[in-house]
Amino acid sequence: DAGVTQSPTHLIKTRGQHVTLRCSPISGHKSVSWYQQVLGQGPQFIFQYYEKEERGRGNFPDRFSARQFPNYSSELNVNALLLGDSALYLCASSPRQGQPMNTEAFFGQGTRLTVV
Amino acid sequence: AQRVTQPEKLLSVFKGAPVELKCNYSYSGSPELFWYVQYSRQRLQLLLRHISRESIKGFTADLNKGETSFHLKKPFAQEEDSAMYYCALNSGGYQKVTFGTGTKLQVIP
Repeated sequence: DAGVTQSPTHLIKTRGQHVTLRCSPISGHKSVSWYQQVLGQGPQFIFQYYEKEERGRGNFPDRFSARQFPNYSSELNVNALLLGDSALYLCASSPRQGQPMNTEAFFGQGTRLTVV
Repeated sequence: AQRVTQPEKLLSVFKGAPVELKCNYSYSGSPELFWYVQYSRQRLQLLLRHISRESIKGFTADLNKGETSFHLKKPFAQEEDSAMYYCALNSGGYQKVTFGTGTKLQVIP
């Protein structure tokens, strides 16, 4: 099992552009969460999806959106990029939600987004 | 709103010395608390969670609701413990996790 995979690993975008980040959870995991990690800070929760529905949302503007597909993979979309969106974006999967952290969350290596 | 505070950005200890990584939280409900670790060039991974009351790699953490703390301890540090440690709090049923800013543990040989 390759674990949680994220693509691309690195990305450079210009202000105002749009970006799509992708995440494939571990096989059998139905829950996917997204986090933003700015340099020197801990990860900040963006979204959680379970069974293709949004189950939780952090304090991020509407420029951030996500979705989960029938195969449980997920995309994070960010519109109208700002310089401050430069960060490491982490995806985590777990088998189920409801008792969320009784089940371990497995993190991907992340996508490093640089906005110039 | 929930908050997790890790007051030390860097903690340096000698090999064999005791380790204590501090974590304080602010949350009005009943918290679920965790420690995550990130070794160099590796992904973030769960170290331990308070509800399991387990010891992983010699580390333990006790939830103190009176002091709203969840400090991570190990009696004898090893070089392989050098890593970034994050304290995290889950404040809802939907895996909405709040992380602290992290403490870098450096174990000096």
